[in-house]
Amino acid sequence: EVQLVESGGGLVQPGGSLRLSCAASGFTFSSYAMSWVRQAPGKGLEWVSAISGSGGSTYYADSVKGRFTISRDNSKNTLYLQMNSLRADDTAVYYCAKESGYDILTGYYRFDYWGQGTLVPVSS
Amino acid sequence: DIQMTQSPSSLSASVGDRVTITCRASQSISSYLNWYQQKPGKAPKLLIYAASSLQSGVPSRFSGSGSGTDFTLTISSLQPEDFATYYCQQSYSAPIFGGGTKVEIK
Repeated sequence: EVQLVESGGGLVQPGGSLRLSCAASGFTFSSYAMSWVRQAPGKGLEWVSAISGSGGSTYYADSVKGRFTISRDNSKNTLYLQMNSLRADDTAVYYCAKESGYDILTGYYRFDYWGQGTLVPVSS
Repeated sequence: DIQMTQSPSSLSASVGDRVTITCRASQSISSYLNWYQQKPGKAPKLLIYAASSLQSGVPSRFSGSGSGTDFTLTISSLQPEDFATYYCQQSYSAPIFGGGTKVEIK
């Protein structure tokens, strides 16, 4: 059974940093691209970042480019999101999501499994 | 950037009703369109990919159709567990989600 478990969320002040983790199990982690998707309270879904199965390719939404860094450790089956210079509008539940293929966002890609999410409130 | 517009933003329906949700892309995306279901406090769940392919384990009362710019998600006979918010997502380029359609009990 595929499982994705996020951790690392919590209250952070504007301008602060936080690192999210997503522990994966139930599939060959290194064979699949992964993404982070967020959802502000009461709002819709916003894709944040993606990383290929090898970790060699990454891609970011314009809203987080230069502030967030996605990475993965395939030996630990773990996905990360380093978030710096956080702003109030980054407040959201952050989900990690497994993509359907190895390469980032190619072909008929879709997010076939999601974690339960971790809440990141950014407030003073 | 491609914009995705869903309609309606919410609807009320009864158990057993046939429900149709529409998603429109701002430019042609061929069949690069996915549908997700999200219940309150839960993660989204993939229902349909490539516009009309049913994800494994998803009940057959869910179906998708369309290509180009106009797509629909149909629930043939609404069940109590189907009351949720539904999102479309284009996979033609970087992921963009529609604004969501909340299906409520009438």
